[in-house]
Amino acid sequence: DAGVIQSPRHEVTEMGQEVTLRCKPISGHDYLFWYRQTMMRGLELLIYFNNNVPIDDSGMPEDRFSAKMPNASFSTLKIQPSEPRDSAVYFCASSLDGEKLFFGSGTQLSVL
Amino acid sequence: DAKTTQPPSMDCAEGRAANLPCNHSTISGNEYVYWYRQIHSQGPQYIIHGLKNNETNEMASLIITEDRKSSTLILPHATLRDTAVYYCIVVIKAAGNKLTFGGGTRVLVKP
Repeated sequence: DAGVIQSPRHEVTEMGQEVTLRCKPISGHDYLFWYRQTMMRGLELLIYFNNNVPIDDSGMPEDRFSAKMPNASFSTLKIQPSEPRDSAVYFCASSLDGEKLFFGSGTQLSVL
Repeated sequence: DAKTTQPPSMDCAEGRAANLPCNHSTISGNEYVYWYRQIHSQGPQYIIHGLKNNETNEMASLIITEDRKSSTLILPHATLRDTAVYYCIVVIKAAGNKLTFGGGTRVLVKP
């Protein structure tokens, strides 16, 4: 298995633009998580899904952020409009039964 | 979820055992202890987890005290590739593993 696949690996955009981050979880995994990592705040859970249904989105910073999981093999995290303070590494992770999380390589987002 | 306390950093010698402590004095009976690590520029990697018994796998051993208020992750023979930030997390397993990562311990393995 290729593991959790995230794209793009790096994203540079200008303030106000829409940003879409993509994630393909490991096949057969029921849980999908989106995390954000910054130097100041460390790793923060944004939202997680179970069987494609959002379970807890209390970590989503504000209405500019939205996440979807239209099927078991794909999820997106969208920021619209983006702001410089959104600059961070965004990780996607999946899990078979919630016991262990497998993380992707992350998307390095820079908003200028 | 119970809060954990870890030393911010520690060094260890290559080839020696690395013992990483974690305090979780407010842990409740149904909370598990999980360990992850994050090597620079990579996503976190699962290492091991346990409830009350000691656990061992190909990566490490987890020793949990009898009162469950602290635990130790043991890397038996540290290599340079074990240099990473190690996170100790306490979480209720049934809660969909909503893991909350704290500051962790930055481990530097020196030759």
